[in-house]
Amino acid sequence: DVKVTQSSRYLVKRTGEKVFLECVQDMDHENMFWYRQDPGLGLRLIYFSYDVKMKEKGDIPEGYSVSREKKERFSLILESASTNQTSMYLCASSPYYRPFTDTQYFGPGTRLTVL
Amino acid sequence: AQKITQTQPGMFVQEKEAVTLDCTYDTSDPSYGLFWYKQPSSGEMIFLIYQGSYDQQNATEGRYSLNFQKARKSANLVISASQLGDSAMYFCAMSLGGGGATNKLIFGTGTLLAVQP
Repeated sequence: DVKVTQSSRYLVKRTGEKVFLECVQDMDHENMFWYRQDPGLGLRLIYFSYDVKMKEKGDIPEGYSVSREKKERFSLILESASTNQTSMYLCASSPYYRPFTDTQYFGPGTRLTVL
Repeated sequence: AQKITQTQPGMFVQEKEAVTLDCTYDTSDPSYGLFWYKQPSSGEMIFLIYQGSYDQQNATEGRYSLNFQKARKSANLVISASQLGDSAMYFCAMSLGGGGATNKLIFGTGTLLAVQP
C-alpha cells in the first residue's frame, strides 16, 4: 500500500512565525504535491515537484515555498504565517508521469491554525 | 478554462439504497482523466475510481461506478447499496494530458453524503 505521512495532524502557530509542514512517501514516487483545502473551495494546488530539487508553482503559491532535497520528502514552508493561511494542508504523491492517468495518493492532512 | 462543478453541497441516502453524486467538467483538451475521491471525517483523501477520456466502458470498482457521458461532459459517481461507512465528503477531480512533467488535478467543491440507517 502507498503510504504518505505528514508530520503533524494539528498545528497551532502565531502570526509571523516560520512554519514547516513535512510530507514523506514510501513508494519511490517521482511527483509530490501540496494542496490546501478550504470549505466551499475544494482543494487548491500550492506547489508541486516532479523530481528532487525541482518545483513548480501551482494555483496559489503566494506566501509559500517548498523544498525537496530527497525523493521521499517534500516540505511546505510558510515564511511568515498569517491568519489567512489557517487551513487544512494535504500532501499527495504519484508515480512517474503518464499523461492524465496517474493517481495521486494523499496523506492524512495537517490542520493548521494561525493565531 | 478547465473546471469541475459539483452542484450538490449535501445529500442524504438511506442505507442499502443506491445514490448518484453529480459531477460536470469543462475542458477543451481531448485527453483528460476523471477521478473520484472520498474524504471521511478523519481527513484523508481516499482514491475511489478513475475514468480516462478515451475509455469506452464506464469504470467500476466494487460498489462504485462512474457514469461517464462524454458529450454532456458529466462523470457522475454511483454508489450501490450504501453503507453507514460511506458517509463522507466526495470530491470529483480532473487531470489534463497537456505538456509538463506531471499531472495536476483540478478539484470540485465536494458533496457531503450522509447515509441514514
